[in-house]
Amino acid sequence: NAGVTQTPKFQVLKTGQSMTLQCAQDMNHEYMSWYRQDPGMGLRLIHYSVGAGITDQGEVPNGYNVSRSTTEDFPLRLLSAAPSQTSVYFCASSYSGTGLYEQYFGPGTRLTVT
Amino acid sequence: EDKVVQSPLSLVVHEGDTVTLNCSYEVTNFRSLLWYKQEKKAPTFLFMLTSSGIEKKSGRLSSILDKKELFSILNITATQTGDSAVYLCAVRGTGAGSYQLTFGKGTKLSVIP
Repeated sequence: NAGVTQTPKFQVLKTGQSMTLQCAQDMNHEYMSWYRQDPGMGLRLIHYSVGAGITDQGEVPNGYNVSRSTTEDFPLRLLSAAPSQTSVYFCASSYSGTGLYEQYFGPGTRLTVT
Repeated sequence: EDKVVQSPLSLVVHEGDTVTLNCSYEVTNFRSLLWYKQEKKAPTFLFMLTSSGIEKKSGRLSSILDKKELFSILNITATQTGDSAVYLCAVRGTGAGSYQLTFGKGTKLSVIP
């Protein structure tokens, strides 16, 4: 199993550009989520999905879109990048079958918006 | 709104010292509390606690939960330089979604030789 994979690892955008951060998992986890991590702020939930076709907003959803057409993939779209979106983005997945809901994190994408 | 507060925010110790990291929380319908270790990459899972008073242990790390007082501690004994990391505490409730985790800001531990 590759676990949770994210691409790209690094990205630099200009203000106003759009892009998609990719996230995929091969563990058949039903739950997937996107977090951003800023210095001194911990991890903050952007959007999450409890299964294909179902998404919902987290704590900081503004400026981001998600969709979940398959169990494996959960892309995060930045509609019009702003410097405030400079951050490290983590995708995570978890499985409820064991009742543990332990989240597995991808390696992260470091995004800089100039 | 669920809330997690970790203390201290940063800590510097010498190798061999024992450290205690604190996590207090407020959560709607508590389900579990999780500890993660984050080095210069993604968080890795350490422990999940659901019941009060039961210690989870893995090598030199241990953790315990007090559901009455709404806190958890993470102990690291005989610290090593490899323990240097940010330690994250997270709670899962049933607030806006039972899968969601609310994270604290983390405790940055630096272990010096």
